[in-house]
Amino acid sequence: TQLLEQSPQFLSIQEGENLTVYCNSSSVFSSLQWYRQEPGEGPVLLVTVVTGGEVKKLKRLTFQFGDARKDSSLHITAAQPGDTGLYLCAGGWDGNKLVFGAGTILRVKS
Amino acid sequence: DSGVTQTPKHLITATGQRVTLRCSPRSGDLSVYWYQQSLDQGLQFLIQYYNGEERAKGNILERFSAQQFPDLHSELNLSSLELGDSALYFCASSLSVDLTGELFFGEGSRLTVL
Repeated sequence: TQLLEQSPQFLSIQEGENLTVYCNSSSVFSSLQWYRQEPGEGPVLLVTVVTGGEVKKLKRLTFQFGDARKDSSLHITAAQPGDTGLYLCAGGWDGNKLVFGAGTILRVKS
Repeated sequence: DSGVTQTPKHLITATGQRVTLRCSPRSGDLSVYWYQQSLDQGLQFLIQYYNGEERAKGNILERFSAQQFPDLHSELNLSSLELGDSALYFCASSLSVDLTGELFFGEGSRLTVL
């Protein structure tokens, strides 16, 4: 059982559409991170959210941390083919253990 | 380029064998993390070292061991390999001992056990 549940597992959309990816847990996290991983590469950090209710924007990406710090969402506006990849959420757990969700595979078709 | 170097990039071996994966962290980073990524388990935390000392342990099997050397590079040793050990093994480095700093991941070592 994953500590962090991500949904959906797969998402295939057309260029220009909006989408939201969710990361949920029954546990409280001190911080939550979102990573993007492309084939043949390691995950790359997109953002870290720390405060409950916090919203961060990175160009067309909007990240939100739930008020109770148990969940997070990633919203992409006007998706582009370059957004294609595996999106992973990760939370600090039991000290120095960064645990990852299973990820959401996003494919944006042109 | 994250600055983290992993070797080898690909490795094919047989069951029962032993392999060593190597990681050179970013210059100045003292923390090294090892992760295993497989299709069914996702990214699983294995172990963390900080400045040569083990700091945190995750789902690391007893057949696996790791160490961090004085020059801060790290090695992950996998022995008595089984088919299920086939996976991508990632190393990540960070400046800080805890999770306040950003983790920088290498490109991974793909292990195939036949």
